[in-house]
Amino acid sequence: NAGVTQTPKFRVLKTGQSMTLLCAQDMNHEYMYWYRQDPGMGLRLIHYSVGEGTTAKGEVPDGYNVSRLKKQNFLLGLESAAPSQTSVYFCASSFDGYGYTFGSGTRLTVV
Amino acid sequence: AQSVTQLDSHVSVSEGTPVLLRCNYSSSYSPSLFWYVQHPNKGLQLLLKYTSAATLVKGINGFEAEFKKSETSFHLTKPSAHMSDAAEYFCVVSVNVYKLSFGAGTTVTVRA
Repeated sequence: NAGVTQTPKFRVLKTGQSMTLLCAQDMNHEYMYWYRQDPGMGLRLIHYSVGEGTTAKGEVPDGYNVSRLKKQNFLLGLESAAPSQTSVYFCASSFDGYGYTFGSGTRLTVV
Repeated sequence: AQSVTQLDSHVSVSEGTPVLLRCNYSSSYSPSLFWYVQHPNKGLQLLLKYTSAATLVKGINGFEAEFKKSETSFHLTKPSAHMSDAAEYFCVVSVNVYKLSFGAGTTVTVRA
């Protein structure tokens, strides 16, 4: 099925560990985004990309890095996980910056 | 700056009765507005969007929203709630092509 696929769906990390979340889309969208969702705060933009090889900071970028080496993939990295990064992470892609397709999310717990 | 405020954090309705979810927006120009729904442990699904065409926007699953510039509102309604409508709903404004600004969300409970 066409859409946005996130892996893994669940992960538990210890403080200080690193990990990479993978987002893949098969719709040939230029724009891709990483959001985090916390209770009562809606979704907040971490980083985004407007095309292959480009990345930019969103509103809560600290502690995260991203890469977009291929148009269809957008990776989110945590170099040294902290409990404050416990959240649900959503990837999204868009053709025109207005209609977004979201992945099903990655639930990350940092202990 | 563009932002949205969802006026109710939780709404409880009986099955078969109308649903009203309230959203006010703040924007210095004509905004693009959206409503998304999130069912438990699922991703976000677009219900409808307003992009300066008709002020009454019809979406999926019987939902509709009306853009009222004079009231800076974009409330979501459905004439008759179904059990499957139990979910969290987000009002969203497009800040630019790189960023959406989300409301805090409204959780809808549907009583049998």
